[in-house]
Amino acid sequence: AQSVAQPEDQVNVAEGNPLTVKCTYSVSGNPYLFWYVQYPNRGLQFLLKYITGDNLVKGSYGFEAEFNKSQTSFHLKKPSALVSDSALYFCAVRALYNFNKFYFGSGTKLNVKP
Amino acid sequence: DAGVTQSPTHLIKTRGQHVTLRCSPISGHKSVSWYQQVLGQGPQFIFQYYEKEERGRGNFPDRFSARQFPNYSSELNVNALLLGDSALYLCASRRNRDRDATNEKLFFGSGTQLSVL
Repeated sequence: AQSVAQPEDQVNVAEGNPLTVKCTYSVSGNPYLFWYVQYPNRGLQFLLKYITGDNLVKGSYGFEAEFNKSQTSFHLKKPSALVSDSALYFCAVRALYNFNKFYFGSGTKLNVKP
Repeated sequence: DAGVTQSPTHLIKTRGQHVTLRCSPISGHKSVSWYQQVLGQGPQFIFQYYEKEERGRGNFPDRFSARQFPNYSSELNVNALLLGDSALYLCASRRNRDRDATNEKLFFGSGTQLSVL
């Protein structure tokens, strides 16, 4: 069965500092991993995905994620956080046989303070 | 191009009532999926429709049903509402059903916030 876990409910970081939002996965077969961001009263916006290839994936708004097969992790990172990055971040894994069915983590609230 | 649009944005119902939520996918997208997001949790898959047929169903009771129309828009219906149905209901669209094109991803609407009193 496919699942992801986000061990941190909340991450606090100062503006300008690097940020990491953690995600671990459990899958049958090859992992198809995604990060989405949700701003208040909004739907989910796609940030980036890992399907195959380089372990470091670059996405929108300066975010990147590192796929680590041995640690079954897919952590989201950004070298320098902005206050406007404050939002709810979801890690997700796609179902094996239905490409429209995603399993989402519980979400991590990122707070970036000036 | 317009994104995924959902209506209404907010809805208040009482227990036992029925509700219908609507979704219009991005132009050219034939696949629509519905997700339920309870406060403090990640979205959970409810249904997927493609070419007016149900192609996937999550672990939700039969009170939940959906359909897709010839123009690819979709409705989610929930009967006999319970307090626990209070959630943000998200619609997502995708161009194809299962084709694994590397540039394809789910596009989400802003959701319908349903409150059951």
